[in-house]
Amino acid sequence: EAQVTQNPRYLITVTGKKLTVTCSQNMNHEYMSWYRQDPGLGLRQIYYSMNVEVTDKGDVPEGYKVSRKEKRNFPLILESPSPNQTSLYFCASSYSISYEQYFGPGTRLTVT
Amino acid sequence: GENVEQHPSTLSVQEGDSAVIKCTYSDSASNYFPWYKQELGKRPQLIIDIRSNVGEKKDQRIAVTLNKTAKHFSLHITETQPEDSAVYFCASEGRTGNQFYFGTGTSLTVIP
Repeated sequence: EAQVTQNPRYLITVTGKKLTVTCSQNMNHEYMSWYRQDPGLGLRQIYYSMNVEVTDKGDVPEGYKVSRKEKRNFPLILESPSPNQTSLYFCASSYSISYEQYFGPGTRLTVT
Repeated sequence: GENVEQHPSTLSVQEGDSAVIKCTYSDSASNYFPWYKQELGKRPQLIIDIRSNVGEKKDQRIAVTLNKTAKHFSLHITETQPEDSAVYFCASEGRTGNQFYFGTGTSLTVIP
């Protein structure tokens, strides 16, 4: 089954404790992206990747890191989480920028 | 950066009536304009998209129109049904063609 998976689905952590949210797709997609969703602000792109070893900043990259060492995986790293990073995070993948993006199930992160 | 504005933020219609959601974008180089539907607690899913070489596209009760001169595009849902109740997001690619921008969403409620 073609899908995008994310883990964990829910995470409560404390300020400053490094965490990683994993994302994996099995569709051989080249374009992958991380978004955060906040009430009234829609979906905002954090980072995106055009292909392996190619990553770039989206609209709200501060406080986040990503890597793309394999085509299927695109982890999101928060080195020192802060309460303003409490949000719903979605990973997405697509054949390219101008094609349908398939979203993961989301990760709800709370930073206290 | 690219700005996608979406209106209205909330919309209530009677079952069977039509619903229209409008978006404007700022980058005249944008060529791809998808619409995503997000049901409560679920991930966004593509419902229809349009490219800049056409002015209108239909899929059963859903249609999208694009006016490149005015830089706006609209989602039209006819004969609305309760299952159409969801949040709808418009989106477009950015200036470089690699970044992606979503509108802030429209919460549609179809009243039975």
